[in-house]
Amino acid sequence: DTGVSQDPRHKITKRGQNVTFRCDPISEHNRLYWYRQTLGQGPEFLTYFQNEAQLEKSRLLSDRFSAERPKGSFSTLEIQRTEQGDSAMYLCASSLGRGDEQYFGPGTRLTVT
Amino acid sequence: RKEVEQDPGPFNVPEGATVAFNCTYSNSASQSFFWYRQDCRKEPKLLMSVYSSGNEDGRFTAQLNRASQYISLLIRDSKLSDSATYLCVVNKDSSYKLIFGSGTRLLVRP
Repeated sequence: DTGVSQDPRHKITKRGQNVTFRCDPISEHNRLYWYRQTLGQGPEFLTYFQNEAQLEKSRLLSDRFSAERPKGSFSTLEIQRTEQGDSAMYLCASSLGRGDEQYFGPGTRLTVT
Repeated sequence: RKEVEQDPGPFNVPEGATVAFNCTYSNSASQSFFWYRQDCRKEPKLLMSVYSSGNEDGRFTAQLNRASQYISLLIRDSKLSDSATYLCVVNKDSSYKLIFGSGTRLLVRP
């Protein structure tokens, strides 16, 4: 399967713990996006990378959130000191270039207890 | 006010029916428009782009009215497999980040 992959698919953690998610985009896609989706809502933009450069961050991305894409390939999204309000599906998408179709991964479902 | 607004539904229709979804967007600078489909607990997938002249893909027809900031999706001859949530999506700048509506849920019954 050469689509976008995300790991883990599910994560249950206790409030206050740190979690890290990984996204592997489609090979050669230079744009990578992170979105968050809560029940009954559409996905909301968090941040995006062009190659290894993080070009934009949403105000939804508080100081507890950090994202990296160290070599312009896979990306990680870390949430520190998780809160119950962080419970959501975290979706990663990639595209070949700007304006090209964004392909979404299956998401990581985070539950904070 | 949300940037992209949709009727949440659900729309419950029999097989073979024609159903239409509407969407409005608030930012007149929006550049590109899409309909995505999302099955339960799955990722969104692009259904079709929406062009100013309107476009059709099989049973699906999309329309855009820039003056009214309004987008529509028409599904003809509904199939059971069309049951899903349909997300209206725009982007407005060079980042090409997508702005999603909350989605309209469609249930097609036998």
